[in-house]
Amino acid sequence: DAKTTQPTSMDCAEGRAANLPCNHSTISGNEYVYWYRQIHSQGPQYIIHGLKNNETNEMASLIITEDRKSSTLILPHATLRDTAVYYCIVRVAGRSQGNLIFGKGTKLSVKP
Amino acid sequence: AAGVIQSPRHLIKEKRETATLKCYPIPRHDTVYWYQQGPGQDPQFLISFYEKMQSDKGSIPDRFSAQQFSDYHSELNMSSLELGDSALYFCASSVRDRVLGYTFGSGTRLTVV
Repeated sequence: DAKTTQPTSMDCAEGRAANLPCNHSTISGNEYVYWYRQIHSQGPQYIIHGLKNNETNEMASLIITEDRKSSTLILPHATLRDTAVYYCIVRVAGRSQGNLIFGKGTKLSVKP
Repeated sequence: AAGVIQSPRHLIKEKRETATLKCYPIPRHDTVYWYQQGPGQDPQFLISFYEKMQSDKGSIPDRFSAQQFSDYHSELNMSSLELGDSALYFCASSVRDRVLGYTFGSGTRLTVV
């Protein structure tokens, strides 16, 4: 599975959009981009995933560049409860799926 | 909605003892994964099972073993416990052939004293 690079930490004001970047320049054509988050000592929580199109769900939006070498997770209106470590992971999904391998995520601190 | 259930939530063991952690996946999920997260560390993949067969192996010590039973629940057995085994242990489940994300349980906090 391709390696990802994320900023170590980011701050965001409550109510503002949080934009979390991720570089995955060695991503293969059959690898998806997944985002998970982990609130302190809780189990990781799935947020969103995408292959090449932008995706949106009730939690977040995922913007993937046309060359697929980077992506951005957007939390449109961050709240204090969004303070967590956010992991960007690329992996093959479906029949030949790879395992979910966590790297160093981004610690997002949402401040009042 | 049903989630991934792990038991126990907390466990304290002495060095050289054994421990068994249990995981009950979401109904109809056919794949179970185990992760270990030490203090201040990121989750590390240990092992996975698909349809009761070991599917993949990560950084699982030889002192640990796991299996998935006919009802799809899984157990992680840890022997000759060491202080360094103190960690959070997460189980996750998924449907293998789908691209949906894993669902994680709340974890078992193991403390070895």
